[in-house]
Amino acid sequence: ILNVEQSPQSLHVQEGDSTNFTCSFPSSNFYALHWYRWETAKSPEALFVMTLNGDEKKKGRISATLNTKEGYSYLYIKGSQPEDSATYLCAYKWQAAGNKLTFGGGTRVLVKP
Amino acid sequence: GAGVSQSPRYKVTKRGQDVTLRCDPISSHATLYWYQQALGQGPEFLTYFNYEAQPDKSGLPSDRFSAERPEGSISTLTIQRTEQRDSAMYRCASSDGTATYNEQFFGPGTRLTVL
Repeated sequence: ILNVEQSPQSLHVQEGDSTNFTCSFPSSNFYALHWYRWETAKSPEALFVMTLNGDEKKKGRISATLNTKEGYSYLYIKGSQPEDSATYLCAYKWQAAGNKLTFGGGTRVLVKP
Repeated sequence: GAGVSQSPRYKVTKRGQDVTLRCDPISSHATLYWYQQALGQGPEFLTYFNYEAQPDKSGLPSDRFSAERPEGSISTLTIQRTEQRDSAMYRCASSDGTATYNEQFFGPGTRLTVL
């Protein structure tokens, strides 16, 4: 059984502050890590697909880093805005699993004005 | 189409009835996935298709669950003899292929409630 853990489960951030949270995954047989942004009552929206150790990806104020040797990825939000409020899901693809993505439970971010 | 669509958006059924959920992927996408998502949790993989082939059914929770994609485009997920524990959001996603870097684009989901 693969364990993909996200922490913390939820996070309250003051508008304008920066924040980050973690996705942990098994370090063996790594294939790819996906990050999704998911607003309630909407579909998960792809943010990043990361494949190489040391990868850093950026989209606007959101960025992510990847460490496949120790099995973690950080997602950073710089200068949080209320529209950043969402659940951020990571999903892990490992080599023997074909196309299966195993999702973490998500980090729920609430940005307070 | 412009995005992944699913129908119905909501389905309420009585225990023991069969239900069929539909997914219409992005038209150019070869690969289609089905996920089950419990309230407040991340999606859990059920099965996927490459065109009409179904290489992995390992996530289907029981033989009451089956999926088809006969012409490699629209897919259906059928749950026979529904049980209350089947109540969940069922999400479909599609991607351009199966390469490592392919993003999955999710549909709006079908919320199934089994009474």
